[in-house]
Amino acid sequence: NAGVTQTPKFRILKIGQSMTLQCTQDMNHNYMYWYRQDPGMGLKLIYYSVGAGITDKGEVPNGYNVSRSTTEDFPLRLELAAPSQTSVYFCASSYGSHQATNEKLFFGSGTQLSVL
Amino acid sequence: RKEVEQDPGPFNVPEGATVAFNCTYSNSASQSFFWYRQDCRKEPKLLMSVYSSGNEDGRFTAQLNRASQYISLLIRDSKLSDSATYLCVVNMKDSSYKLIFGSGTRLLVRP
Repeated sequence: NAGVTQTPKFRILKIGQSMTLQCTQDMNHNYMYWYRQDPGMGLKLIYYSVGAGITDKGEVPNGYNVSRSTTEDFPLRLELAAPSQTSVYFCASSYGSHQATNEKLFFGSGTQLSVL
Repeated sequence: RKEVEQDPGPFNVPEGATVAFNCTYSNSASQSFFWYRQDCRKEPKLLMSVYSSGNEDGRFTAQLNRASQYISLLIRDSKLSDSATYLCVVNMKDSSYKLIFGSGTRLLVRP
């Protein structure tokens, strides 16, 4: 049981390049999330998904796209990388329900992205 | 007003001290509250959920004050290993379903 797996762990992009951050979970969780964390700051929600085929914008969606074709995978796409997207990205999942005990977030280990 | 607000700290305390953090939230309809711990350059990990009646887990006590819209975390007998950033998380159950993080409170426990 691997939990939430993110790849790559580190990446350097040039301005204007594109890339996809991969995220997969093997816990059969309905809910998945992408957060970014800038130095010394909290996590900002980029996009989230409540199930396969359903995605929605979070607080900071501009410059990103997501898809959720399966329960397990929730990739994050950067189309035209900009220096403002330099950050640490965390993918997370949760079973998701209206009961607090089922809303625990399981995080991947993060992707450190630099756009130069 | 931010949806979830925390004092960034740092709180610098000696070993054995008791320290408390607060976190305020703006949406009165929020129903789920959590404290996460994040070590430097690591992913956040759940420390404890916060229940309406308050709850305790060893040296850690979490409380919820709905009237004033804040949650608190109390750490007794601080250990060096408690040094970390503590993130407040709130489920903003308005028209959507999303977990919003505060920017965190940094704790430094010194020998």
